[in-house]
Amino acid sequence: NAGVTQTPKFQVLKTGQSMTLQCAQDMNHEYMSWYRQDPGMGLRLIHYSVGAGITDQGEVPNGYNVSRSTTEDFPLRLLSAAPSQTSVYFCASSRAGQTTDTQYFGPGTRLTVL
Amino acid sequence: DAKTTQPPSMDCAEGRAANLPCNHSTISGNEYVYWYRQIHSQGPQYIIHGLKNNETNEMASLIITEDRKSSTLILPHATLRDTAVYYCIVRVMRAAGNKLTFGGGTRVLVKP
Repeated sequence: NAGVTQTPKFQVLKTGQSMTLQCAQDMNHEYMSWYRQDPGMGLRLIHYSVGAGITDQGEVPNGYNVSRSTTEDFPLRLLSAAPSQTSVYFCASSRAGQTTDTQYFGPGTRLTVL
Repeated sequence: DAKTTQPPSMDCAEGRAANLPCNHSTISGNEYVYWYRQIHSQGPQYIIHGLKNNETNEMASLIITEDRKSSTLILPHATLRDTAVYYCIVRVMRAAGNKLTFGGGTRVLVKP
């Protein structure tokens, strides 16, 4: 299994541009999440999904959209990039309904907005 | 989710045990203690979790006090590859979407 994969690894945007960060998992996990991590800080939850077609907001959802059309994929869309969205973005997945709810994280996407 | 308090940093000698404390005095009866770590520039990695009994796996041991107000993560024989930020997280199991709330963590530096 490849686990959780994220593309691209690095991205530079100009203010106002839009883009989509890709996340995919091959573990048939029901739950998927997006976090952002600013320098020297812990991770903060942006959006999450408990299954295909179901999404919900986390702590810092403004400026981001998500959709979950398949179990495998959970893309994160930046609608109009702002410098405050410069961060490292991590996607995570986990299984529902188990005695353990371990989350598996991807390698991250490093985004810079100029 | 209950709030946790961890020291911001600590050093450890290679080959020695690393004991990482975490205070969670407001923990509720149905909340678990989870530990994750983040090696530089990588995604967080699950280490261990427990409710009230001590737990051990191939990576670490988790000691939870009887009143559950604090816990200690023990890395039995620290290696240079254990240098990372360690996060103590308290939450109910299977919270909506299995969400995690990260605090500041403890930055552990393992020295030769």
